[in-house]
Amino acid sequence: AQTVTQSQPEMSVQEAETVTLSCTYDTSESDYYLFWYKQPPSRQMILVIRQEAYKQQNATENRFSVNFQKAAKSFSLKISDSQLGDAAMYFCASNTGNQFYFGTGTSLTVIP
Amino acid sequence: ETGVTQSPTHLIKTRGQQVTLRCSSQSGHNTVSWYQQALGQGPQFIFQYYREEENGRGNFPPRFSGLQFPNYSSELNVNALELDDSALYLCASSLQRGARSYNEQFFGPGTRLTVL
Repeated sequence: AQTVTQSQPEMSVQEAETVTLSCTYDTSESDYYLFWYKQPPSRQMILVIRQEAYKQQNATENRFSVNFQKAAKSFSLKISDSQLGDAAMYFCASNTGNQFYFGTGTSLTVIP
Repeated sequence: ETGVTQSPTHLIKTRGQQVTLRCSSQSGHNTVSWYQQALGQGPQFIFQYYREEENGRGNFPPRFSGLQFPNYSSELNVNALELDDSALYLCASSLQRGARSYNEQFFGPGTRLTVL
């Protein structure tokens, strides 16, 4: 089984600033994917960014980027130029085969 | 393109009852996964259905069962409800090209189940 750990239950950031959310994972698999999902109060889980473990280059999606450290099994999410709409629960997840494993989430508050 | 839909939105049951939750997958998707998300927790994988067969299961007892239909929609059934079954139940669909999936999962809005 895999485990995903998010050690920051809550984070806050000033609007327009940058924030980094931490995630570590544990797997014995060599082939896996990592994800960050956003869950706003409306409850619908939305994919923010995805990283294939075999790719060394860190994924980026507009203002969202990751720092993937495979040896350290670390997968942090950086949000640049934070916006009020970024406020949500953020979940880190790993996928091997047909199972997804989620962390316990980080609640992000964006301060105007 | 139609997204993932779930019904009902909310549901209240009493302990010992049975419940059926429904999920319609996104157009073109052939795989449905179900998750249980307790309050303040991350989603926990229940099981996945691919081509109408269970294709992986998390650590949930047999009273959690499911079905997938030829149109790829799915049901989650929970028998003998317990208080701890109160949670948000999420359905996610994806397109798999084989028994192992590395493709993006698209989530529905969830069904909030309360067991009294």
